[in-house]
Amino acid sequence: GQNIDQPTEMTATEGAIVQINCTYQTSGFNGLFWYQQHAGEAPTFLSYNVLDGLEEKGRFSSFLSRSKGYSYLLLKELQMKDSASYLCAVRDRTGANNLFFGTGTRLTVIP
Amino acid sequence: GAVVSQHPSWVICKSGTSVKIECRSLDFQATTMFWYRQFPKQSLMLMATSNEGSKATYEQGVEKDKFLINHASLTLSTLTVTSAHPEDSSFYICSARGTTTYEQYFGPGTRLTVT
Repeated sequence: GQNIDQPTEMTATEGAIVQINCTYQTSGFNGLFWYQQHAGEAPTFLSYNVLDGLEEKGRFSSFLSRSKGYSYLLLKELQMKDSASYLCAVRDRTGANNLFFGTGTRLTVIP
Repeated sequence: GAVVSQHPSWVICKSGTSVKIECRSLDFQATTMFWYRQFPKQSLMLMATSNEGSKATYEQGVEKDKFLINHASLTLSTLTVTSAHPEDSSFYICSARGTTTYEQYFGPGTRLTVT
């Protein structure tokens, strides 16, 4: 099975940096994804890590350590529109390479 | 990026009736489609996976006779909620994966309310 943990809620200030952590346990790890989801909308893809290290994409970066079962999403220069839920998802090859989602972290950006 | 559409975007139905939700990949061929359910303030829960032309694989605890999935073509999958009950009220999201990409693309979701 899969066990994916994220903090439930976080609050950060506009212009600041925030790090959202995700830990996972899975038997057939085959990649980790981060998605952004605004209330009432479908998730949108942010990043993908399959090897250890940091992937940078503009204001968003994602880090993976496979040995520790750990990832984080880093958001820089926070904007009000970044208020959303951030979902960590793990692809499991023993689960037909399906994506299994964590509970999501609800980020609130305040002025 | 690739586009996945869902129809309808929201539906209200009476208890005991059936509802069909369509999921289409608009600009790519989706060899695999996924159906998720999301309750308020919770994350996405995978319901089933379907490959074109074959029977869907359901996750544990999901009733296959209640949630009928048909993946008739490389661009269309349907989810039919049969004999819907108020506890089936949820946000249903489909996702599609093509042959040449690791990425899954999500549809905009369908909000189902059963009265």
